Amino acid sequence: GAGVSQSPSNKVTEKGKDVELRCDPISGHTALYWYRQSLGQGLEFLIYFQGNSAPDKSGLPSDRFSAERTGGSVSTLTIQRTQQEDSAVYLCASSRGGDLYFGPGTRLTVT
Amino acid sequence: GQSLEQPSEVTAVEGAIVQINCTYQTSGFYGLSWYQQHDGGAPTFLSYNALDGLEETGRFSSFLSRSDSYGYLLLQELQMKDSASYFCAVNQAGTALIFGKGTTLSVSS
Repeated sequence: GAGVSQSPSNKVTEKGKDVELRCDPISGHTALYWYRQSLGQGLEFLIYFQGNSAPDKSGLPSDRFSAERTGGSVSTLTIQRTQQEDSAVYLCASSRGGDLYFGPGTRLTVT
Repeated sequence: GQSLEQPSEVTAVEGAIVQINCTYQTSGFYGLSWYQQHDGGAPTFLSYNALDGLEETGRFSSFLSRSDSYGYLLLQELQMKDSASYFCAVNQAGTALIFGKGTTLSVSS
C-alpha cells in the first residue's frame, strides 16, 4: 500500500518568505508527527496530532511555526518569515499507535 | 523533560557483533524503540521493548532494563549494508516519540 508522502521533496526559499510543507499520512493512521533533522543531527520533535485531540505543539521552536491537520488526514506545516537556521529536512510520520512510518522528507534550504 | 544518551559513532568490521547503548531520563515511560536511517533516507522501525528483557528479530536484538533506564541494540553478523545511523527513542504516555541524537555505525570489510 501507499506510504507516507511529502511534498515538495525540495524547497529553496529566500530568507523572510513563508513556506508550506505538506504531508499525506497512511490511510487509517490516527497519529501524525512532524520532526526536523539538521545535517548529521538527530530528529527534533516539532508537533504531534492524535485523532481529534488538541495537538501537542510543545516542540515548535518559535511562533513562526504552525501546523494543521485537516479532516484527520493531510497535514500542512507552515513556516513564516523563514530564517537560515530553519534549513533542514522536515520529516513527517504517521502511526496507528505503534511504530512510526516516516515519509521521505522535505529538504528546506533558506538562502 | 526527557533526555536520551547514545554514543555518536561506532565502527566495526563485517561479521562482527556491535552493541549500541542508550540511557534515558523521562517520565511516563512506556517503552524504548529503535530506528535505522541510511544516509539520505527516512528512518525505519527496527524494534520496540516495553518490558524488561531481550527481543530478537533476526540479526538484530534489543534489550531493555526499566529499572536502570537503559537499553541497547545488538547487531550480529554485521554486513556492509548495516552502515547507517541508529536512533533510540522513548515512547511516553500521550506524547510523541522522542529520539536520541543517533549513533553512526560504520562497517568496514
